[in-house]
Amino acid sequence: DGGITQSPKYLFRKEGQNVTLSCEQNLNHDAMYWYRQDPGQGLRLIYYSQIVNDFQKGDIAEGYSVSREKKESFPLTVTSAQKNPTAFYLCASSPSRAPGELFFGEGSRLTVL
Amino acid sequence: QKEVEQDPGPLSVPEGAIVSLNCTYSNSAFQYFMWYRQYSRKGPELLMYTYSSGNKEDGRFTAQVDKSSKYISLFIRDSQPSDSATYLCAMRRGTGSYQLTFGKGTKLSVIP
Repeated sequence: DGGITQSPKYLFRKEGQNVTLSCEQNLNHDAMYWYRQDPGQGLRLIYYSQIVNDFQKGDIAEGYSVSREKKESFPLTVTSAQKNPTAFYLCASSPSRAPGELFFGEGSRLTVL
Repeated sequence: QKEVEQDPGPLSVPEGAIVSLNCTYSNSAFQYFMWYRQYSRKGPELLMYTYSSGNKEDGRFTAQVDKSSKYISLFIRDSQPSDSATYLCAMRRGTGSYQLTFGKGTKLSVIP
């Protein structure tokens, strides 16, 4: 089945450690996104990528990094510079012709102890 | 004033009721409007995607956009317990814009 696969679903890390969240899609979409969701906050854009080897910062990119070496993959690293990393992270993809038509993964819940 | 305002609820209705969910926005550059449904601990899924003002219907769901009032609505007819979820409005500027602005979501419970 076509879709977005995020892993791991739950992740616990100690403060100061970098963490990488995986996102893979088999929808053949050009664009991919990372969002962060906090209780009562809605979704906030961290990074997005329109094509391979290119990505742009969203509204809250500080403390995060991404890469887009393959069309199917868009991993997110939460670095130790991110002050409040505990959150629900959502990866999405969309066709280039309809950037608002996001297909989301199931999410990764990161808890920093 | 936030770019997109959405009442967080919670909203509780009996099964079979008509539900009205709304968002207001301040940026007149928004041209594309979306509604997403999110079940607890899951990723959102796209329900409706509309361009500019007008109505769009899909089964029990109707999306309405009034650009003159900067107001969008989602109506759910004959609501079912399976409609219990958080509904997020989202919007973006014109062609070439990849950034969506989301409302905070309204939590809906449909009581059997």
